[in-house]
Amino acid sequence: KQEVTQIPAALSVPEGENLVLNCSFTDSAIYNLQWFRQDPGKGLTSLLLIQSSQREQTSGRLNASLDKSSGRSTLYIAASQPGDSATYLCAVTSSNTGKLIFGQGTTLQVKP
Amino acid sequence: NAGVMQNPRHLVRRRGQEARLRCSPMKGHSHVYWYRQLPEEGLKFMVYLQKENIIDESGMPKERFSAEFPKEGPSILRIQQVVRGDSAAYFCASSPAGTGATEAFFGQGTRLTVV
Repeated sequence: KQEVTQIPAALSVPEGENLVLNCSFTDSAIYNLQWFRQDPGKGLTSLLLIQSSQREQTSGRLNASLDKSSGRSTLYIAASQPGDSATYLCAVTSSNTGKLIFGQGTTLQVKP
Repeated sequence: NAGVMQNPRHLVRRRGQEARLRCSPMKGHSHVYWYRQLPEEGLKFMVYLQKENIIDESGMPKERFSAEFPKEGPSILRIQQVVRGDSAAYFCASSPAGTGATEAFFGQGTRLTVV
């Protein structure tokens, strides 16, 4: 059974710092991995999608890497800003139906 | 191209009433997924539907919960005889193809409160 774990559960950093969020999954047989952002009381915004054959994806100040064999992904945020404060969710697709298995999330606070 | 639309955004029901949550997928998407986010818990898969078919309902509670995605109109998640434990945020996601490699797009969610 696929399980997804995110560490740390919460993180507080001063503005401008570079930071890394971690995601691990127990079954390396995945189709893809997605990183989402969720603001309080809001829906999920897709940040990056990494297919199983890819090693990383970049979008602006965000870079996500995938090491399928070790069951790990990292989300790197460069030059953090207060507007980056949110909960970041990692999810993998293990079945061919596109069903997502989510981690518990990392709640990030960037202090001005 | 409008995103995934869910309504209502907030729903309050008394114990024993029925709750109906609606989800209109993105244009061109015929695959819909429902997820539930209980307070202080992560998102959990509930059900995956294609037009007129339930493909995977392994995450649905055995009783009181049902889902449909008719040929015309939105997908509906129905909860009968709601209890306090049903209070949660319910999210719908859609994709153009129900394959493992396809990106999912989420709606804003419906926050159900049972009083």
